[in-house]
Amino acid sequence: NAGVMQNPRHLVRRRGQEARLRCSPMKGHSHVYWYRQLPEEGLKFMVYLQKENIIDESGMPKERFSAEFPKEGPSILRIQQVVRGDSAAYFCASSPGGSHEQYFGPGTRLTVT
Amino acid sequence: QQQVKQSPQSLIVQKGGISIINCAYENTAFDYFPWYQQFPGKGPALLIAIRPDVSEKKEGRFTISFNKSAKQFSLHIMDSQPGDSATYFCAAMGETGANNLFFGTGTRLTVIP
Repeated sequence: NAGVMQNPRHLVRRRGQEARLRCSPMKGHSHVYWYRQLPEEGLKFMVYLQKENIIDESGMPKERFSAEFPKEGPSILRIQQVVRGDSAAYFCASSPGGSHEQYFGPGTRLTVT
Repeated sequence: QQQVKQSPQSLIVQKGGISIINCAYENTAFDYFPWYQQFPGKGPALLIAIRPDVSEKKEGRFTISFNKSAKQFSLHIMDSQPGDSATYFCAAMGETGANNLFFGTGTRLTVIP
């Protein structure tokens, strides 16, 4: 049973470019969460999605960031016009409905040059 | 503000010793308290979790102690091994319907042979 998959594992973007991060949840999981981790810090919640619905985006910056979890395919976290401060590790987690347990993927390490 | 406070920031323990990491929270709505283990370059892995209706939960060498009145919980690693060297994060979740985890800032554990 494959775990949560994220790609790419490493992403380098120049300032002003767009970054697209993908997450495929564990089989049977319908809930997806995105977290951001800055160096030497804990994870910070960004957004919680179910298929075709954003449930909670209270942790998302108001501008440049968006997320989706379409009916088919992976969840996407999109960062437009990236800035150096966006450099971080972005983790996706998934859970089955009705469970608090969240299982994390290996993360995408974004570097903005 | 930091919803979950974790200490110490770093910890060095001799092989065979007991590692103890502490966390404290303020929000009494939290009802699920997991611990995650993270190795460098990897995603956090769910280690053990507890609900506030029990004061202790043990799984192998890992034990969570929970003090509801003090709003504190701790992770004890018995017979610590060099392979336990990692960063440990406590977290908390409440019955808000949003299902997002609030993480502590992490404890870097080093177990020396």
